[in-house]
Amino acid sequence: GENVEQHPSTLSVQEGDSAVIKCTYSDSASNYFPWYKQELGKGPQLIIDIRSNVGEKKDQRIAVTLNKTAKHFSLHITETQPEDSAVYFCAASGGTYKYIFGTGTRLKVLA
Amino acid sequence: DTAVSQTPKYLVTQMGNDKSIKCEQNLGHDTMYWYKQDSKKFLKIMFSYNNKELIINETVPNRFSPKSPDKAHLNLHINSLELGDSAVYFCASSQQANQPQHFGDGTRLSIL
Repeated sequence: GENVEQHPSTLSVQEGDSAVIKCTYSDSASNYFPWYKQELGKGPQLIIDIRSNVGEKKDQRIAVTLNKTAKHFSLHITETQPEDSAVYFCAASGGTYKYIFGTGTRLKVLA
Repeated sequence: DTAVSQTPKYLVTQMGNDKSIKCEQNLGHDTMYWYKQDSKKFLKIMFSYNNKELIINETVPNRFSPKSPDKAHLNLHINSLELGDSAVYFCASSQQANQPQHFGDGTRLSIL
């Protein structure tokens, strides 16, 4: 069945360093890949997304890369700040109203 | 203005009871969803509705019955609550498939 693997499950970085979270999807029909940030007591919030016709997308300190051949996509956060601490989820969708989420990465940015 | 709002925020009840969670979105989206997030933070889709029609039912027990009276609302009724139903339930909406989803802040359901 459809599956999205996400690594690492926890990640601690020093403030100012970069953080990278990786996801692998199984369904070849997937063509939309959003990333969400979830803070304590809140719902997931979209931070960036990428479609299969694009290899890379950047928005200020956040970037996402996609390798369709390997079915990998990654989230890159540069110059991390304490407020970046949260749980991050990747997801994949193939246009069927069904989004498969990764298992989440708890990011801690140490001041 | 809250884009996706769900009530109640907390729900504590006894096993065997029936309860409902309400969701409303003011974004003008055509599609709404229910997700379940367990204690390990795994986020799993339960239902997808498009224009009030059920599109996805992810092998959810019949005790869970969603209802969409109009495009802006998707409610979730749960019969005969079980201990395993304890989780945080999130409502979400998107304009269409393969579009960014907007999530509510969740309903934490605790079964005693």
